[in-house]
Order: sequence, then C-alpha cells, then structure tokens
Amino acid sequence: EPEVTQTPSHQVTQMGQEVILRCVPISNHLYFYWYRQILGQKVEFLVSFYNNEISEKSEIFDDQFSVERPDGSNFTLKIRSTKLEDSAMYFCASRGPGGRYEQYFGPGTRLTVT
Amino acid sequence: AQTVTQSQPEMSVQEAETVTLSCTYDTSENNYYLFWYKQPPSRQMILVIRQEAYKQQNATENRFSVNFQKAAKSFSLKISDSQLGDTAMYFCAFMDNSNYQLIWGAGTKLIIKP
Repeated sequence: EPEVTQTPSHQVTQMGQEVILRCVPISNHLYFYWYRQILGQKVEFLVSFYNNEISEKSEIFDDQFSVERPDGSNFTLKIRSTKLEDSAMYFCASRGPGGRYEQYFGPGTRLTVT
Repeated sequence: AQTVTQSQPEMSVQEAETVTLSCTYDTSENNYYLFWYKQPPSRQMILVIRQEAYKQQNATENRFSVNFQKAAKSFSLKISDSQLGDTAMYFCAFMDNSNYQLIWGAGTKLIIKP
C-alpha cells in the first residue's frame, strides 16, 4: 500500500540554523500539507500546496517558513532561522485527486532546536 | 472559526471491553468531513475512520464505528472488543470543503489494560 514518507525522522539543530524537512507524498496525490504538533499540544495546520503554489497558510507560517516541490516527487518545508519554539513534530500529509478528501500522513519528523 | 473539542483527556478500559470517545465541534458550514485519527507511541498519525456530513448513515470500519449527530454537532468514536494495540492518542478532526484544512481536537489518551 502506498504511503507518505518523511526524512529525517529526528533532526537536532541549533537556534538560528536553517533546516529542511523532506516528504515524499503518495505518487498520484495532488494536494500536500504540513502540520506541526508541539509536545502536549494540538496538531496545527501550517500550509497547503497545490499546483506548485501555496493554497492556504496559517498565521504560524510566517516569513521564516517556505515550501517547495523541487522535483515532482519531494515536498519540502524549510525553516530559515530556527527558534526554540519551533521544536515540534512536523507532519506531512497528502490528498488524492478528484473528490478524494482523506489526508494521509507521513510518520513525522521530530525537530529539536537547542 | 471552526473548533473541535474532546472533553476526555484520558480513558482506560480492560481488553475486550467497548469504549466510546467523545468529540464535539462547532461550525456554521453545512458540508464538511469528520475524522478520527490514531497516534500510537510511534507518533505516526493513522486514519481510523471518516464521515461525510451529508451522509446520515454512521460510518463503520471493522471494530470502529461512529455516532454522528449533526444537529448536536457530535461525533463520537466507539471501539468494540478493544485490543492492546488500540492503546494510543485519538484525535478528532474537522475539515470543511472550502480549504480542506484539518482542525484538530486536543486528543484523548486511550489505555487498554490487559
């Protein structure tokens, strides 16, 4: 069964450094999402992406964040200058074409900013 | 703005018992989707069951079923014949059909005791 994959599973970085989180969505899916979950808190929507552009973004998704689909298979989230409060689990999700509305999630990347 | 409320932070039952997890939501939309996701200790987010708001029939997936009460804006999850592998966080999530973002509840930690 096809699945969403994410790398790395765990990333440790120092405050102020740039990180890139990678996702490979399910191959025939057209809609892509990033969510984050700070430990002990609700899952929060960050951004949605379709047809090579951002469809929606939340207030959390400020100028330090960017997304890209560089090669037709990978979907990346870049955090330009990480802060301590960016420490969280980051989930990528994808959704199929047509009337399909279910989002399928990757295993997540645990980001720790020190 | 839509909100999702899960009023039970934690529940525990004996193996083989039936358990019901509560979820209420608030929206002014008429067409939307509701989901239950399971997050085991591995923190992978796994889709358990989905419900379209326009369908009156409650969704069922093997041991998992929902009680969808649209007028009351209630969407509870029933797990029958609970198994040790059901131990996880369970999240209720709402999606409207304009932006397809998932809005999440705070989660219920379910512990199945042997």
